[in-house]
Amino acid sequence: SAVISQKPSRDICQRGTSLTIQCQVDSQVTMMFWYRQQPGQSLTLIATANQGSEATYESGFVIDKFPISRPNLTFSTLTVSNMSPEDSSIYLCSVGPGGAGNTEAFFGQGTRLTVV
Amino acid sequence: DAKTTQPPSMDCAEGRAANLPCNHSTISGNEYVYWYRQIHSQGPQYIIHGLKNNETNEMASLIITEDRKSSTLILPHATLRDTAVYYCIVRERGSQGNLIFGKGTKLSVKP
Repeated sequence: SAVISQKPSRDICQRGTSLTIQCQVDSQVTMMFWYRQQPGQSLTLIATANQGSEATYESGFVIDKFPISRPNLTFSTLTVSNMSPEDSSIYLCSVGPGGAGNTEAFFGQGTRLTVV
Repeated sequence: DAKTTQPPSMDCAEGRAANLPCNHSTISGNEYVYWYRQIHSQGPQYIIHGLKNNETNEMASLIITEDRKSSTLILPHATLRDTAVYYCIVRERGSQGNLIFGKGTKLSVKP
């Protein structure tokens, strides 16, 4: 299993500012994932973060808006840049599933972002 | 895109069994059926998974039809704390990569 700590749990930010979300895992993992969950919607993948390489972004998400760092195998950050009210969502980091014997994915508790 | 379809919402009386259906008619032979749930304001939580045999754990039972084109998640004695959105996901077991979430089923357990 994996325990994921995500910070902050929530924040209210002014439009035009940036927020960096941290994700700490209690074990080393190759791949970490960042999701966005807009109000009342399902989870949408933003990007995949691999240690030692550039993050891979999904269609509709760009690095300038959502820069990601992955300095080691247990930590990642997602920055939401130049925020607007449309960025108000829950942002979640995740690890797994993957590899033999690891059949489930684990999620942080999420960061509830409100942009005013 | 998600390869599953689920009803958007269901109600269940507390103490009764909750049966949540999922259609996955295009599932391939090496894909498993996974179930996750998301309780309000929390990250998704793994429940159970299976390939073709019925599975049971401390949380739920999973019934997969013989043709594997549909499945049912069963919570045998639903409690108020089981109120959540339930996601049915198909993917290759052991494959790395993200989960693809559909819209899920919002289960409301009522007293």
